[in-house]
Amino acid sequence: AQKITQTQPGMFVQEKEAVTLDCTYDTSDQSYGLFWYKQPSSGEMIFLIYQGSYDEQNATEGRYSLNFQKARKSANLVISASQLGDSAMYFCAMREVTSGTYKYIFGTGTRLKVLA
Amino acid sequence: DSGVTQTPKHLITATGQRVTLRCSPRSGDLSVYWYQQSLDQGLQFLIQYYNGEERAKGNILERFSAQQFPDLHSELNLSSLELGDSALYFCASSVELGGNTIYFGEGSWLTVV
Repeated sequence: AQKITQTQPGMFVQEKEAVTLDCTYDTSDQSYGLFWYKQPSSGEMIFLIYQGSYDEQNATEGRYSLNFQKARKSANLVISASQLGDSAMYFCAMREVTSGTYKYIFGTGTRLKVLA
Repeated sequence: DSGVTQTPKHLITATGQRVTLRCSPRSGDLSVYWYQQSLDQGLQFLIQYYNGEERAKGNILERFSAQQFPDLHSELNLSSLELGDSALYFCASSVELGGNTIYFGEGSWLTVV
């Protein structure tokens, strides 16, 4: 079974609009972390936002917010006021502990295209 | 700039050859991770080191090996290269073993011809 599922291979959004990128996860751990990364066409991986499993508030970083619904095991990324520079691949990831070792597992990504 | 440095940025080599990819983590980071990203694929975890010791292994082929040196830089060795090894190889680092953030380098693009 997939640990991290991103069901949207591609998304379009109009400039200045908000967009939600979906991510669901599967873990039996009580303590885990959830991350979002952006990968522009140049290839680098840019950290966007982090949510801990015990954090009660949804994480926010500028125009990025993470809609964390623990019971539903979802960690959707919301980008407000989309900009052309937001066009990129977005990866959801989870940190989990297995046999005392930490692993960071990534989803297959969602390609976002912002339209002018 | 994440502070993680990877060299070389691009590499083209022939099948059967061996290459070494180098990673310098952010200053103060003890943990180093290696990932492989094939064309239009997600990131596949290869291996993790913490303060010089191997801590976790993922889908790393036997033809691949890695190590982390006392100065905390790490190297990923890829041998007997095949066409399918062509990928973007990322190094990432974090302060702790299970940090709240892992920072990625810009990656090393490997093309096997």
